[in-house]
Amino acid sequence: AQTVTQSQPEMSVQEAETVTLSCTYDTSENNYYLFWYKQPPSRQMILVIRQEAYKQQNATENRFSVNFQKAAKSFSLKISDSQLGDTAMYFCAFIQGAQKLVFGQGTRLTINP
Amino acid sequence: KAGVTQTPRYLIKTRGQQVTLSCSPISGHRSVSWYQQTPGQGLQFLFEYFSETQRNKGNFPGRFSGRQFSNSRSEMNVSTLELGDSALYLCASSPGQFLFSEKLFFGSGTQLSVL
Repeated sequence: AQTVTQSQPEMSVQEAETVTLSCTYDTSENNYYLFWYKQPPSRQMILVIRQEAYKQQNATENRFSVNFQKAAKSFSLKISDSQLGDTAMYFCAFIQGAQKLVFGQGTRLTINP
Repeated sequence: KAGVTQTPRYLIKTRGQQVTLSCSPISGHRSVSWYQQTPGQGLQFLFEYFSETQRNKGNFPGRFSGRQFSNSRSEMNVSTLELGDSALYLCASSPGQFLFSEKLFFGSGTQLSVL
């Protein structure tokens, strides 16, 4: 069974610092997609970044980038120049088919002023 | 475009009752999926509908069911509620044509409390 593991339940950094959230996953598939979703206090899940497994180039979206290591099955999220609005739960997710996302347990990230 | 709308936002029920939650997807989206979020189990996939047909189902008992209407709106129903059904129920929509790569748009969820 596919699983997603986030080993950091909570993290806290100062505003403007860089922070990296870890994620590992397990799958026997060769072609798949990985995602990082953000859930602020409003509860609405928001897609932060998406990575296609067959692409070696790491995805980037403004201040957000990933370090995708396919052989190691690792998919970490780096947030540069962190902002107060980045405070949220962050979920790493793997898609298993027909919009069936398998989520990690989440990392609660707090950005301090 | 309006986002994904879930109603109601909060719901309180007692054990043994049944409940129906509603989700209106983004206009033009044909896929609607449902997730249960609890502190203990995290986010778990319930089921997904595309053009009124269930395409995928998670590992939940038969008390959990859903349906999708011709306008893509979806409902999920939980019968014979148990205390463990207390959770945030999230709905997500997408165009539905590309199973693995589509961005999902989530609603703000329905917080269900079972007493």
